[in-house]
Amino acid sequence: GAGVSQSPSNKVTEKGKDVELRCDPISGHTALYWYRQSLGQGLEFLIYFQGNSAPDKSGLPSDRFSAERTGGSVSTLTIQRTQQEDSAVYLCASSLASQALAKNIQYFGAGTRLSVL
Amino acid sequence: SQKIEQNSEALNIQEGKTATLTCNYTNYSPAYLQWYRQDPGRGPVFLLLIRENEKEKRKERLKVTFDTTLKQSLFHITASQPADSATYLCALDMGGNKLTFGTGTQLKVEL
Repeated sequence: GAGVSQSPSNKVTEKGKDVELRCDPISGHTALYWYRQSLGQGLEFLIYFQGNSAPDKSGLPSDRFSAERTGGSVSTLTIQRTQQEDSAVYLCASSLASQALAKNIQYFGAGTRLSVL
Repeated sequence: SQKIEQNSEALNIQEGKTATLTCNYTNYSPAYLQWYRQDPGRGPVFLLLIRENEKEKRKERLKVTFDTTLKQSLFHITASQPADSATYLCALDMGGNKLTFGTGTQLKVEL
């Protein structure tokens, strides 16, 4: 597709359930990022994938959060045993992450709005 | 750690005026700074990038300045229109291909 695609657009779950959020980046983009945005807050970095390198997981808030990127393309963010404080919009972005002029301009999906009841 | 400050209060201006948004940062000196626009229910959209050795960058009605001494970037929209109403985020390159985003400033352009 032309842009970054995220699914589902909305997810309502019960506390304690596991959820999976999907991100399909722009074709050819080597870098993929996950962010969390709570109401009225900025973007909180969660995890970053770059090519075949080990992901930068420094932003994951707890071990209930994990992510994988298969074949250097689609990524899945998994939240286990969801808590009410996990409710937020989860945004995915991809970039070329090159040293050229367009270095690290990030292209975002529309996000997944997660509501934990 | 890096701290980025954007005015958390919404900025209301009249159509046709120039809107000026501020982004201040502490500690680390980024190699470049980016501005994004975010509309409700959507992800941020890239607008402009300015490097540390550039004082000013323009794109149509948009202008960004970057003062590395003051550790500040200003984002200007001239001849503002109601369609410019959105939240504007600044983002700093912290190295390693990661960006740190500010909390954003909501702009409302009124008729």
